[in-house]
Amino acid sequence: GAVVSQHPSWVICKSGTSVKIECRSLDFQATTMFWYRQFPKQSLMLMATSNEGSKATYEQGVEKDKFLINHASLTLSTLTVTSAHPEDSSFYICSAELLTGEQYFGPGTRLTVT
Amino acid sequence: QQQVKQSPQSLIVQKGGISIINCAYENTAFDYFPWYQQFPGKGPALLIAIRPDVSEKKEGRFTISFNKSAKQFSLHIMDSQPGDSATYFCVALTHGQNFVFGPGTRLSVLP
Repeated sequence: GAVVSQHPSWVICKSGTSVKIECRSLDFQATTMFWYRQFPKQSLMLMATSNEGSKATYEQGVEKDKFLINHASLTLSTLTVTSAHPEDSSFYICSAELLTGEQYFGPGTRLTVT
Repeated sequence: QQQVKQSPQSLIVQKGGISIINCAYENTAFDYFPWYQQFPGKGPALLIAIRPDVSEKKEGRFTISFNKSAKQFSLHIMDSQPGDSATYFCVALTHGQNFVFGPGTRLSVLP
């Protein structure tokens, strides 16, 4: 099956620092990956669409300078939360899209900003 | 923005019972209807999906019923087990569009 990994699974950082989260498709190539954010007991909210070799497309209200996305290869996309603040604490989930349109999700990264 | 309406918000079922979650959509252009299962602290996992050319799809204890004319689809979990306790999300979209998750249904199966 299609497997997507994320690293790290959880991270704690101090306010003002930057954190990078990696998303990898392990057994398939994905030209398109997605980044979601999920607060406790809430649904997933799409943050941005990451396309290999081009700039990411951000959803309305998502600060592109704060959430830097790089899709350097067909199997790797990274999300960097810059100058993190406590309100950025959340569960970040990536997904990778097959050519059929199916999306497979990573296990998520729990970010806590102190 | 394309969205789906999902109900109920939460559901409590006894072990061995049938869990039913319903979703409705408006856009007749939607052609892909996946259901995702999410356990606490984990990413969503594709559970089962259907396309509008069939009215029902069954995989093990999980069945999707699809009513194209009513623009509704539902997930049935037969012989519900405590291990099925999770949040379930329905999604409706057209190929090439971004996923928009519904609010989800929190299922609790009592032992």
